[in-house]
Order: sequence, then structure tokens, then C-alpha cells
Amino acid sequence: DVKVTQSSRYLVKRTGEKVFLECVQDMDHENMFWYRQDPGLGLRLIYFSYDVKMKEKGDIPEGYSVSREKKERFSLILESASTNQTSMYLCASRDSPSVEKLFFGSGTQLSVL
Amino acid sequence: AQTVTQSQPEMSVQEAETVTLSCTYDTSESNYYLFWYKQPPSRQMILVIRQEAYKQQNATENRFSVNFQKAAKSFSLKISDSQLGDTAMYFCAFMKGFGNEKLTFGTGTRLTIIP
Repeated sequence: DVKVTQSSRYLVKRTGEKVFLECVQDMDHENMFWYRQDPGLGLRLIYFSYDVKMKEKGDIPEGYSVSREKKERFSLILESASTNQTSMYLCASRDSPSVEKLFFGSGTQLSVL
Repeated sequence: AQTVTQSQPEMSVQEAETVTLSCTYDTSESNYYLFWYKQPPSRQMILVIRQEAYKQQNATENRFSVNFQKAAKSFSLKISDSQLGDTAMYFCAFMKGFGNEKLTFGTGTRLTIIP
């Protein structure tokens, strides 16, 4: 079965820190996604990547950047963390020819103090 | 831009009863897909059911079925014989076209099954 692994389940950072959230998938999927989940707002797309070194802005890219140097790894970067970036971050992957489903990681709960 | 609306933030139902979760969407696309995802307390998102817009027949997966009303842009999820393990957040999602497209999610419905 496909496995999408997010490096941390819980993370606490200080305002102004540079934060890296890592996501690795093991099924050679081309598409990868970063969502943030907030109560009452559902899941909102931050960035997605069609393939290595390719990225597209989602609905809320401000304050974030991404990196995809290898196919299996998609990193989300908070250049200077702020308290309004406290949230649950979910990574997902998908084999591009298929619309069957996204495979999600277990999420990283980030707290910025 | 597509929007997905879930108007029921929370619902609860007795075990073994039937419950229906509502979802409406707005799009000008003719070719699209709709999904229901479940997120239990473990936080692991799981695909429950999917529906292609071009198919008139409502999708069914065991105890889970949908009522897809294309003209009304409505996509409700019915859970029959509800079980304690159905307690979760449920998200409705929309995706246009085929291939490299993103999913747009609704705000979710928290469903609690009462023993």
C-alpha cells in the first residue's frame, strides 16, 4: 500500500524561525500536494507539484515556499514563521494518470509561539 | 473558481441509524469528479466514495452511498447502519477534468456516532 510519511507529528517553533516540513512518498507518484487544515475552514491548498522541480501555487501560498528536488520528497518551507501559521499541515500524493484518490500523510500539527 | 459548501458543521446519530451529510458545489465545468473523504481521530484521511459527473448512477460502497443531483449541484453522503467507527470528520471535495488537477475541499462535517 502507498505510504506518505510526514517527518513530524507535532512541531513547536518560535515566531521568525525558518521551518521545514518534510513529506516523502514511496510509490513514485508524480503529483504531490500541501494542504493546511483549520477548524471551520476545511482543507486549503498551499502548493502542489506535478513533477520534480515543478510547482504551482494553490489558494493560500503567501508566507510559504516549496521544494521538490527528488520525486519522492516534497518540502514545505515557512521562511519566517508567524503565529497565524499555527495549523495542521497535510501532505498528499497521487499518481497523475489516476483520479482515484489522494494518499495522505498523518499530518503535522505546527504551533508557532 | 470552484467552491464546495458543507452546511452542517456537526451531526450526531445513534448507532445503527442512517445519517445523511450534505454537500453543495458551484462550478461551470461539465466534466468533474466529486469525493467524500473521512478523517478519523487518527488524522489519516481516507477516501470513502467517488462520483464521476458524467455518470447518472449514484455511487455505492457497502454502507456508504451518495445522492448526486447534477442540476442542483448537490452531492450528499448517506451512511446506513452507522457504526462507532464512522465517528470522524467528513469532507466533500471537487476536482475538475482529469489528471493534474487539484482537489477543492469543503469545510467538513464532524459526525459523532452515539452508542
